[in-house]
Amino acid sequence: GAVVSQHPSWVICKSGTSVKIECRSLDFQATTMFWYRQFPKQSLMLMATSNEGSKATYEQGVEKDKFLINHASLTLSTLTVTSAHPEDSSFYICSASPTGQDTYEQYFGPGTRLTVT
Amino acid sequence: GQNIDQPTEMTATEGAIVQINCTYQTSGFNGLFWYQQHAGEAPTFLSYNVLDGLEEKGRFSSFLSRSKGYSYLLLKELQMKDSASYLCAVVDSNYQLIWGAGTKLIIKP
Repeated sequence: GAVVSQHPSWVICKSGTSVKIECRSLDFQATTMFWYRQFPKQSLMLMATSNEGSKATYEQGVEKDKFLINHASLTLSTLTVTSAHPEDSSFYICSASPTGQDTYEQYFGPGTRLTVT
Repeated sequence: GQNIDQPTEMTATEGAIVQINCTYQTSGFNGLFWYQQHAGEAPTFLSYNVLDGLEEKGRFSSFLSRSKGYSYLLLKELQMKDSASYLCAVVDSNYQLIWGAGTKLIIKP
């Protein structure tokens, strides 16, 4: 149980285009989902906390207009990287916290590797 | 500020034992996680400690001392597949996860 999927697994896009990444909780409902970014040889960096039906909470230094988050249902959150640039190339990981449990109990998706050329 | 310290890299031999330390200074404490992350993959849960002492789970054990702000992950009978990064994460007073930078463990035959 507690499976989280991400789509796509990897994506290559041209500079200036937008990319949408989906995060789904497959066998549980998740009021809260998290989006992380990880650069090579670095630790996870929390980008934003996404709550179903409300606006996401972004961490300091993360541009909310560039990284659009939508959490329209209890099983789906999306991250859209708008006007992507090569410096946005990274490993993006989502996690989901089952509804009713403490939000530090997170189940991770497999990640999406974004390469912007 | 909040801080979690782990060694950047460690090397060990197949079949041996290795201990990965984690020290933390956070605003409050509501538990500590250890995650394993293979290159190019998402983290996978290893252990969660909220009380002092040692928790054993197969080849892996995790220890916590809240008074010392210290934890370690002990890996026994090392296998090549244990080569990965090991992440320490602390739950602070706001129930937010604070992540360490991770320890890259290299296993040699």
